[in-house]
Order: sequence, then structure tokens, then C-alpha cells
Amino acid sequence: GAGVSQSPRYKVAKRGQDVALRCDPISGHVSLFWYQQALGQGPEFLTYFQNEAQLDKSGLPSDRFFAERPEGSVSTLKIQRTQQEDSAVYLCASSLAPFGLRGPNNEQFFGPGTRLTVL
Amino acid sequence: AQTVTQSQPEMSVQEAETVTLSCTYVSSFCDYYLFWLKLPPSRQMILVIRQEAYKQQNATENRFSVNFQQAAKSFSLKISDSQLGDAAMYFCAYSWAGSQGNLIFGKGTKLSVKP
Repeated sequence: GAGVSQSPRYKVAKRGQDVALRCDPISGHVSLFWYQQALGQGPEFLTYFQNEAQLDKSGLPSDRFFAERPEGSVSTLKIQRTQQEDSAVYLCASSLAPFGLRGPNNEQFFGPGTRLTVL
Repeated sequence: AQTVTQSQPEMSVQEAETVTLSCTYVSSFCDYYLFWLKLPPSRQMILVIRQEAYKQQNATENRFSVNFQQAAKSFSLKISDSQLGDAAMYFCAYSWAGSQGNLIFGKGTKLSVKP
């Protein structure tokens, strides 16, 4: 079975350009997370979807960051007017259950990430 | 605020030997989960082991086991009989049980395995 996929795997953008990063979660997974991993750091939470509802966007660093999951499956993270500090690996993860970690198997499955470099 | 600290940026182990990776955390909640995740060179993060705070028994998964010391807020990972395929970046992570499951990560420990 397919895991979580992300595209593109690598993206180079000039400062000021808009970018869109795509995440295809595992089919049927209700929860979807976006994380940002800067060089030498651990991933940091950006936003969470339960189906199509964005229930938590507290980690988005600025209003230039926008995420959507309109049909409750594929999600897109959009960054407008990219800045050099946006350079990072953007990770997507999905899990089966709608809420949190209660239950034995609500593991998050991660995609390979998109490495964004802003010049 | 909840935080996770991994004080060992890099570790090295001889193949077939045992290595322990350290992790400490801060939690203002009593009900939480702790994780070790592995990011191999292929760059797809996978779950290694998970511990529920209310369970006193340390979690084990084959060659991987944890030493969970709740009072000390310590959560170390022991890898026994290390294999070349264990070489990776290892992240310790925390999640409050009442959250939607978002993880708080440490900075990671890069593990090298020498043949």
C-alpha cells in the first residue's frame, strides 16, 4: 500500500515567489499534520486538519503561510512572498484516527518531505 | 510550555554493541505520550517506539527499549545489538494526550554505526 507522499521533493524559489507544496496522505486517514524542519533542528508543528477542517493553525509562522485540505484528502501548504528564513524541509504526516493519540494504533505516518530553498 | 531536549547531537556505536540515546522533557500535563522516531538517510521518518506516561512498564520493540523515568522527566532509548541499518537521526518527541496529536520534537541525535 502507498504511504504518505509529498511533491515536489525539492523546490528552489527566488525570494518573493509564491510556492505550493502538496501532501497526499494515506487513503482514509482523517488527521493530517504539517511540520517545518529547519536545518539542524527538529520538526516544528505548523497546522492540523481533521478531514477538511483546519482545527489548529497555531504553528503557522506568519500570514504568508496558508494550508488547505478542501476534500479531506490531499493537502496543500502555500507560502506567499517567500523569504530566506522559510528555507526548510516541510513534512506532512497523517494518522487514521480523528483525535489525538488515545487508542493503540494512532501512529503518525510521515512523508519524505519537501526541501524548500529560498535564494 | 512543553519542551524536549536531546543533549547529544551525535553518537557513535560499534556494530553489535549497545548504545543509549538521552532525552529529557518538560511537561505541565500528567497525561502524555513520548516517542522515539528515526529519520534514516532515505528521509522518511518512522516511529521506533512509543511510551504512554501512565504506564509504568518501559516499552520495548525488539532491539529497542526505553528507560522512562517520569519523576526525572527522562526518556532514554537503548539500542541493543546495533546494526548498520540503525544509522540515522533519532528524534525524541512528546505529545499531550489531550491534544490532536501534534508532536513536539527535540533537535535530534545523529547515530553512526561503525562496522
